[in-house]
Amino acid sequence: EAGVTQSPTHLIKTRGQQVTLRCSPISGHTSVYWYQQALGLGLQFLLWYDEGEERNRGNFPPRFSGRQFPNYSSELNVNALELEDSALYLCASSRHTGLVTGELFFGEGSRLTVL
Amino acid sequence: AQTVTQSQPEMSVQEAETVTLSCTYDTSESDYYLFWYKQPPSRQMILVIRQEAYKQQNATENRFSVNFQKAAKSFSLKISDSQLGDAAMYFCAHPGGSQGNLIFGKGTKLSVKP
Repeated sequence: EAGVTQSPTHLIKTRGQQVTLRCSPISGHTSVYWYQQALGLGLQFLLWYDEGEERNRGNFPPRFSGRQFPNYSSELNVNALELEDSALYLCASSRHTGLVTGELFFGEGSRLTVL
Repeated sequence: AQTVTQSQPEMSVQEAETVTLSCTYDTSESDYYLFWYKQPPSRQMILVIRQEAYKQQNATENRFSVNFQKAAKSFSLKISDSQLGDAAMYFCAHPGGSQGNLIFGKGTKLSVKP
């Protein structure tokens, strides 16, 4: 069974540009989560999608957005990139909605560098 | 506010020895789960162990066990017979109540010395 896949694995952008990151969840999983992992800050929750709807978002500005497609894959878009957006962006999927007992399955992440 | 605190940014252990990683959390929920995740240098996070708060018995998974103190809101991870492959970042995590997402601590970087 294929795990969570993310693309691209690495990318370099300049300030002000826009970026789109992609995530394919494990087959059968309907929930997709996005986390930002910046150096020394742990994992910061960005967005949660389930059944095509945004269920919750973390404390990030509106220039961070995304969507979930009918096949449950997801995109994370970041507009007007700033230097502090440089981080590893992790996608995770889960079989259950409203994660309480379920396990998150993570992809290997997309490393974004903003110059 | 739901928070997770890991007070040890880095830890080191000798191969075959035992190490304990600390975690405290805050929640207003009465029934919940707690998790320890491992992130090796290859970056993919994996679940190490899970504890159900209503169970008094501490969870164990082979060489990994937890010391769960519900009243103190403490959830430490013990790794016995440490192996070189245990070297990684370890994150404690807690579901954010009805928010539907996991809240992670800042992590502890574990080094294993041969």
